[in-house]
Amino acid sequence: KNEVEQSPQNLTAQEGEFITINCSYSVGISALHWLQQHPGGGIVSLFMLSSGKKKHGRLIATINIQEKHSSLHITASHPRDSAVYICAVRSHNTDKLIFGTGTRLQVFP
Amino acid sequence: DAGITQSPRHKVTETGTPVTLRCHQTENHRYMYWYRQDPGHGLRLIHYSYGVKDTDKGEVSDGYSVSRSKTEDFLLTLESATSSQTSVYFCASAGHSGANVLTFGAGSRLTVL
Repeated sequence: KNEVEQSPQNLTAQEGEFITINCSYSVGISALHWLQQHPGGGIVSLFMLSSGKKKHGRLIATINIQEKHSSLHITASHPRDSAVYICAVRSHNTDKLIFGTGTRLQVFP
Repeated sequence: DAGITQSPRHKVTETGTPVTLRCHQTENHRYMYWYRQDPGHGLRLIHYSYGVKDTDKGEVSDGYSVSRSKTEDFLLTLESATSSQTSVYFCASAGHSGANVLTFGAGSRLTVL
């Protein structure tokens, strides 16, 4: 079993829909990152979370440390949000970064 | 200026030749990581470093070695490249635990013929 699990693996949506991507992990962490990668592009860090909730524009990220779960929400989705979204956790013991396999999001006009 | 740069960005080489990829960061980050990204596998950790001369293996370290002689540089070496090492390689850096954002390089595309 992977230490970081993401769901769904693939997601399609119509423009304007509310999107949720989930991440569950099984190790003790010091931080959780949400990353975005456009096709053929580099990787950009969207959020770093150690507790609670963060918001940036139409993106909201939450984390529940007790349940070892995080969600990334996109409100009013747009075709330019089409990308792979990756959850990564930083192990509290080793500082290794452990990645989920990513969620491929496609938003159609 | 980018906080983290990788070189070369593209390389084509032949089986059996040595290859070195360089990652350079100007963030004074303690932690540096090398990953490979392949279709269907996501990002897999090759090696990481938690300080100068301090490195450890990741999940796919066979066939790779690393060195970190300075805070800012983390080198990934393929002693004898194989076709299975054709991939996109990403370097990342991070500060002290939980304190800093994670920064990625733009990636290095390596093709081994």
